[in-house]
Amino acid sequence: GDSVTQMEGPVTLSEEAFLTINCTYTATGYPSLFWYVQYPGEGLQLLLKATKADDKGSNKGFEATYRKETTSFHLEKGSVQVSDSAVYFCAHPAGGTSYGKLTFGQGTILTVHP
Amino acid sequence: DTGVSQNPRHKITKRGQNVTFRCDPISEHNRLYWYRQTLGQGPEFLTYFQNEAQLEKSRLLSDRFSAERPKGSFSTLEIQRTEQGDSAMYLCASSRNSLASERYEQYFGPGTRLTVT
Repeated sequence: GDSVTQMEGPVTLSEEAFLTINCTYTATGYPSLFWYVQYPGEGLQLLLKATKADDKGSNKGFEATYRKETTSFHLEKGSVQVSDSAVYFCAHPAGGTSYGKLTFGQGTILTVHP
Repeated sequence: DTGVSQNPRHKITKRGQNVTFRCDPISEHNRLYWYRQTLGQGPEFLTYFQNEAQLEKSRLLSDRFSAERPKGSFSTLEIQRTEQGDSAMYLCASSRNSLASERYEQYFGPGTRLTVT
């Protein structure tokens, strides 16, 4: 069935370090792919998306490229800030006859130290 | 646009009691979703409404769970005879019913954290 697998965390970095959070998926066809972020005490927010193969989604310095060949959508940022500390979720639509429900990875906790 | 709101934010209840949560979606969104999130896991889909019609329910949604969206605006999720395994964060999300890609751009509320003792 459809699934999303994220790299195990938590991830701890110093400010200005390079970030990669891996995400791979299994799905029928070529679904849109999403990264959501959850800051402490808040709901999930859409961070970026890509709707087809080779698309690059970007927002707030974060980027992710839809790789059909490797079924991956890794999240990257060149220089993280303390304010990026949050939980990051990779997701895609569940597919089939679904009406738009999302399948999420288990989340990766990112902590950035000054 | 005030975003998706959920009430209450926290609920502590004793096993066997009934609880009800409310979600107010973004006003122009006609799609509404409920998810459940347990510690260390991503959200899991529970059910989905388009306007007032409940179009899909997960197998996670046992007979003790019921959701309504009576006028296509706010929604309620009720859990009857709560069990300790029901302890989780219950998330509500909404989206537009337009382009396929926008359908999946879901806007989440802050969640209701349920603790069953």
